[in-house]
Amino acid sequence: AQSVTQPDIHITVSEGASLELRCNYSYGATPYLFWYVQSPGQGLQLLLKYFSGDTLVQGIKGFEAEFKRSQSSFNLRKPSVHWSDAAEYFCAVGAGVSKIIFGKGTRLHILP
Amino acid sequence: DAGVTQSPTHLIKTRGQHVTLRCSPISGHKSVSWYQQVLGQGPQFIFQYYEKEERGRGNFPDRFSARQFPNYSSELNVNALLLGDSALYLCASSRGEGTDTQYFGPGTRLTVL
Repeated sequence: AQSVTQPDIHITVSEGASLELRCNYSYGATPYLFWYVQSPGQGLQLLLKYFSGDTLVQGIKGFEAEFKRSQSSFNLRKPSVHWSDAAEYFCAVGAGVSKIIFGKGTRLHILP
Repeated sequence: DAGVTQSPTHLIKTRGQHVTLRCSPISGHKSVSWYQQVLGQGPQFIFQYYEKEERGRGNFPDRFSARQFPNYSSELNVNALLLGDSALYLCASSRGEGTDTQYFGPGTRLTVL
């Protein structure tokens, strides 16, 4: 069955530090992969997506993610976080005909 | 261009009642998907509609139903509300069906008392 695992429920980093959020997926075929961000009380905003091609994907707000088929991973990175990056981050995989399966999310806290 | 819009923003109902949530997709998008997000969890897929036809259904009871109109807007209906239906209901639109990139609205917060 398709699934997405985000092993870190909470992550705290200092402003200006680098960030990596982990995501592992389980899917039989070549996956469509997404990272979304959700601020408190808001809907989800697409940060980046991977459908095919270059395994290093650039997104908005300075984020990037790398697809590693051998590790079934799609980790999100940012070289230097800003206080405004504090939010919940969801990794997701496109599964089959119509649905997207989301992980449980990682809440990012930023220390000043 | 306007993004995905949803109404109402917040809603309070009591157990056993019925609720209708509405969604207007981005102009030019023909597909609408609905998700339920319980507090502290990721969104769970409920339905996808494309060109007014149901293209996918998640693991939700028959109390949940939806439809899409000729202008591609959509309604999600939930009958016989339970306390466990309290959640943020998200609508997403995309140009095509399937796992084409989905753009999400702000959601409707439903509280069942």
